[in-house]
Amino acid sequence: QKEVEQNSGPLSVPEGAIASLNCTYSDRGSQSFFWYRQYSGKSPELIMSIYSNGDKEDGRFTAQLNKASQYVSLLIRDSQPSDSATYLCAVSVSGGSYIPTFGRGTSLIVHP
Amino acid sequence: EPEVTQTPSHQVTQMGQEVILRCVPISNHLYFYWYRQILGQKVEFLVSFYNNEISEKSEIFDDQFSVERPDGSNFTLKIRSTKLEDSAMYFCASSESSGRYYEQYFGPGTRLTVT
Repeated sequence: QKEVEQNSGPLSVPEGAIASLNCTYSDRGSQSFFWYRQYSGKSPELIMSIYSNGDKEDGRFTAQLNKASQYVSLLIRDSQPSDSATYLCAVSVSGGSYIPTFGRGTSLIVHP
Repeated sequence: EPEVTQTPSHQVTQMGQEVILRCVPISNHLYFYWYRQILGQKVEFLVSFYNNEISEKSEIFDDQFSVERPDGSNFTLKIRSTKLEDSAMYFCASSESSGRYYEQYFGPGTRLTVT
């Protein structure tokens, strides 16, 4: 059973702060890791993908992957109220069609 | 920027009725997917489709579900006899290919309400 675990939150941060979102996964064969943002009532929007250990930066977003600890995180620097959303972690394993398994998501609230 | 489109945005149907949800994947993408998300729950995989065939399906995708690519652009999900528990958001997604490095892009979704 592939499990992807996220703290449901809400995580509340002030505007301008760094928001740190975490995700753990159970399958050591996991190869691909994705962060999606989902506004209420809307569809998941891909923010970042990461495939190897370490950090990957894209604008205000940094994804961090540690396969030994089976842990992936997303940092959002200079958080804005418009970043308030649910952040979904998705993980896929090799050896098949790479269908991602989604976590429940972490609700982020950025308050002015 | 190319995007996945879905119609209708909201569908209300009575229990036992058939519904067809429609999707237009991104034009150069070859792999298509359907997911559902029951309110407050995880995004769940239903089925993937490639080269006019189902390539993978989940336990949720039972005999009441079917998918089709009726022409060169549309990709449909049919639910033959809807149940109350089919009420959910249904998302279509597409990817350029299948494999470790290929990302899936989601459409805006269809909210299905079964009464």
